[in-house]
Amino acid sequence: GAGVSQSPSNKVTEKGKDVELRCDPISGHTALYWYRQSLGQGLEFLIYFQGNSAPDKSGLPSDRFSAERTGGSVSTLTIQRTQQEDSAVYLCASSLQGSEDAFFGQGTRLTVV
Amino acid sequence: AQSVTQLGSHVSVSEGALVLLRCNYSSSVPPYLFWYVQYPNQGLQLLLKYTTGATLVKGINGFEAEFKKSETSFHLTKPSAHMSDAAEYFCAVSVVPFSGGYNKLIFGAGTRLAVHP
Repeated sequence: GAGVSQSPSNKVTEKGKDVELRCDPISGHTALYWYRQSLGQGLEFLIYFQGNSAPDKSGLPSDRFSAERTGGSVSTLTIQRTQQEDSAVYLCASSLQGSEDAFFGQGTRLTVV
Repeated sequence: AQSVTQLGSHVSVSEGALVLLRCNYSSSVPPYLFWYVQYPNQGLQLLLKYTTGATLVKGINGFEAEFKKSETSFHLTKPSAHMSDAAEYFCAVSVVPFSGGYNKLIFGAGTRLAVHP
């Protein structure tokens, strides 16, 4: 596609449920990043993928958070047993390997009620 | 450890006035510095970046920023504000030395710019 695509754009879930957030990067971009934007914490790094592997997952806040990437393309961020503090906008970005120019998607707004 | 401080969570200017958004950074390695803009309900868009070389960098929409190592600053300016500039602006520093091959960003808290007629 022309840009980074994220789905769903909005997600409301009940506390304790699992959610999956999807990111479809720009074609050919082997580097993929997840960030979280929340009122209390601002914009924070979660995880980086190089191809299908994640050499840096230092920003994942707890073991309830996991992510995978398949075929060097689509990535899924999974949050298990959601809590209210997980409410945030989850942003995905991609770039060419070795480039400092990251292109961001529009984000998924997650609300845990 | 790297960090970014943006002075002023809200800035208000009149249309046609100078825009100045302040950013100071802390980095243990030569930094890569970025300004991103976020319009309502949208993702982040890269405005401009400093990596190496010329310290005055020009970006899209008439914005520019100057890297001042002695002041550890990377302030964003635009000579004449337009109504369409109203948005949230984020300054960021690259955490991992780019020789690592990826660009892990530390963001400031953001500055919301309002432009009044």
